[in-house]
Amino acid sequence: SQKIEQNSEALNIQEGKTATLTCNYTNYSPAYLQWYRQDPGRGPVFLLLIRENEKEKRKERLKVTFDTTLKQSLFHITASQPADSATYLCALLIYNQGGKLIFGQGTELSVKP
Amino acid sequence: NAGVTQTPKFRVLKTGQSMTLLCAQDMNHEYMYWYRQDPGMGLRLIHYSVGEGTTAKGEVPDGYNVSRLKKQNFLLGLESAAPSQTSVYFCASSSPLSGAYNEQFFGPGTRLTVL
Repeated sequence: SQKIEQNSEALNIQEGKTATLTCNYTNYSPAYLQWYRQDPGRGPVFLLLIRENEKEKRKERLKVTFDTTLKQSLFHITASQPADSATYLCALLIYNQGGKLIFGQGTELSVKP
Repeated sequence: NAGVTQTPKFRVLKTGQSMTLLCAQDMNHEYMYWYRQDPGMGLRLIHYSVGEGTTAKGEVPDGYNVSRLKKQNFLLGLESAAPSQTSVYFCASSSPLSGAYNEQFFGPGTRLTVL
């Protein structure tokens, strides 16, 4: 069965630096990876989608890359701010199965001022 | 436009009791999902539905039942609650017509404790 793994260790960085989060998935195609943000006590919120034929996607200070050889997606937040502190989840879309997602366990990001 | 709402927000049950969690969405989405979230485990899919009157099993369906009698509502039932079902439950909905390939919209969650 498909698996998604994220670095379960919390990531602590200084304000203004770039945060980089990793998501690895088992062999699956076509691969569409979604990234979500989750704040404590709230439901996840969709951020970005990247398809396997796309190398990079950007949205404001967010950038997602995709390496199908390594079966890995990297999620970057540039010029990070304390307000970016949250848990970030990646999810693999299972194609043609009612939009099913397989989620990673999430990485908690803490940005210190 | 309320998005996805869940009822109740909190609940404490005793082992063996039953309850139903209600999820409602006002976005006319075809697909709806129930997840549970436990510390260190991420979100795990319990059941999902691709349309009114249809349901399917997810990763962890045992001990739960669902129904989708109306397009906007998706109910999750626990017939005989067990302590292992203590968790935070999230409902979500999506549309296959979404440009983001089924971006899911989540409710605020229900925190359930089974004693």
